[in-house]
Amino acid sequence: GAVVSQHPSRVICKSGTSVKIECRSLDFQATTMFWYRQFPKQSLMLMATSNEGSKATYEQGVEKDKFLINHASLTLSTLTVTSAHPEDSSFYICSASSRGLGYEQYFGPGTRLTVT
Amino acid sequence: DAKTTQPPSMDCAEGRAANLPCNHSTISGNEYVYWYRQIHSQGPQYIIHGLKNNETNEMASLIITEDRKSSTLILPHATLRDTAVYYCIVRGPMNRDDKIIFGKGTRLHILP
Repeated sequence: GAVVSQHPSRVICKSGTSVKIECRSLDFQATTMFWYRQFPKQSLMLMATSNEGSKATYEQGVEKDKFLINHASLTLSTLTVTSAHPEDSSFYICSASSRGLGYEQYFGPGTRLTVT
Repeated sequence: DAKTTQPPSMDCAEGRAANLPCNHSTISGNEYVYWYRQIHSQGPQYIIHGLKNNETNEMASLIITEDRKSSTLILPHATLRDTAVYYCIVRGPMNRDDKIIFGKGTRLHILP
């Protein structure tokens, strides 16, 4: 149980375009979802925390207008990278937690974004 | 949350026990020690966690010192598939917005 999926697993987009990444909790209802970014050879950096039905809380230094997060349902959160640039190329990982699972975080498999 | 210190990398021969140390000298009484690992190009995977007592599951054992200032994750019979970055994290009791702050972890290489 407690499976989190992400779609797509990898995406290539052109500079200036926007790309949407989906994070789904498959067998539980996630009250909270987290988005992380990871550059090569570095650790995961938390970008934002989103609770279902409310606005996301962004970490310091993360541009909320560039990284749009929507958590419209208890099983789906989306991250949209707007006007992507090559420096946005990274590995994006989501995690989900729920009260019923003791607020443990379950991680998705990640999405590799390459901006050309 | 308390900070943790881990060696940046370690090697272990396949079939031997891998012992990964972690220092968390500023841990508070209600904080847990968690271990996750991340295999290349995958999301983190939960391994084990504990408060004071040693813990064991199908993946690993966690040994926490009596003063709780350090711990060791033990993979009893390491295989090549255990090659990954291992993160030791100290976390308080969880609530809805509880964040996990990842440090640099230990890159474990299992040698054939």
